[in-house]
Amino acid sequence: DADVTQTPRNRITKTGKRIMLECSQTKGHDRMYWYRQDPGLGLRLIYYSFDVKDINKGEISDGYSVSRQAQAKFSLSLESAIPNQTALYFCATSDPPRGFNEQFFGPGTRLTVL
Amino acid sequence: EDQVTQSPEALRLQEGESSSLNCSYTVSGLRGLFWYRQDPGKGPEFLFTLYSAGEEKEKERLKATLTKKESFLHITAPKPEDSATYLCAVRPNYGGATNKLIFGTGTLLAVQP
Repeated sequence: DADVTQTPRNRITKTGKRIMLECSQTKGHDRMYWYRQDPGLGLRLIYYSFDVKDINKGEISDGYSVSRQAQAKFSLSLESAIPNQTALYFCATSDPPRGFNEQFFGPGTRLTVL
Repeated sequence: EDQVTQSPEALRLQEGESSSLNCSYTVSGLRGLFWYRQDPGKGPEFLFTLYSAGEEKEKERLKATLTKKESFLHITAPKPEDSATYLCAVRPNYGGATNKLIFGTGTLLAVQP
């Protein structure tokens, strides 16, 4: 969905490097989320934010941090990347009147940590 | 433990051959069950939300149904463009502002012409 963009789309890095994944949205939604997707494990929530001042940990936040720079921007950082953080990362947004449920996903970032 | 199990893992159909995908769930109360479609190289695309047993939703060749233990995604007379991975997710009722979706691992559907 072009309304939610992620950069970069692909990234290869080395163990110990700091990495930032960026998400921007033009949907005007307050709520934003970061997920990772691994084969055989499904999508898992890393962090979510209901507005610029409200950031919450998801089920697998260890090793990650986030920054909500503006309503439209939500960044995910890996402070010191490790190989088991190799995965497909998705940003998503949702609109409060429709609730948490109907989430709009970006195209994903494929991250490989060597 | 809350969990979502989808079956089969992969399904190959001939064009026009109807079938169903299954999503079984074990959760502490249910505040909603969701179906998403994911095409290769793309993010999941929302399809349906179901809230209570007996509820049904339809969209083109897709129909989603819900019971107290599982949901089915029925595909009637599928076309090759229906080929994708179909994801199921549930929102448990933990009380208060519940913000967690539990996703299944998906069913990879391939429809051959």
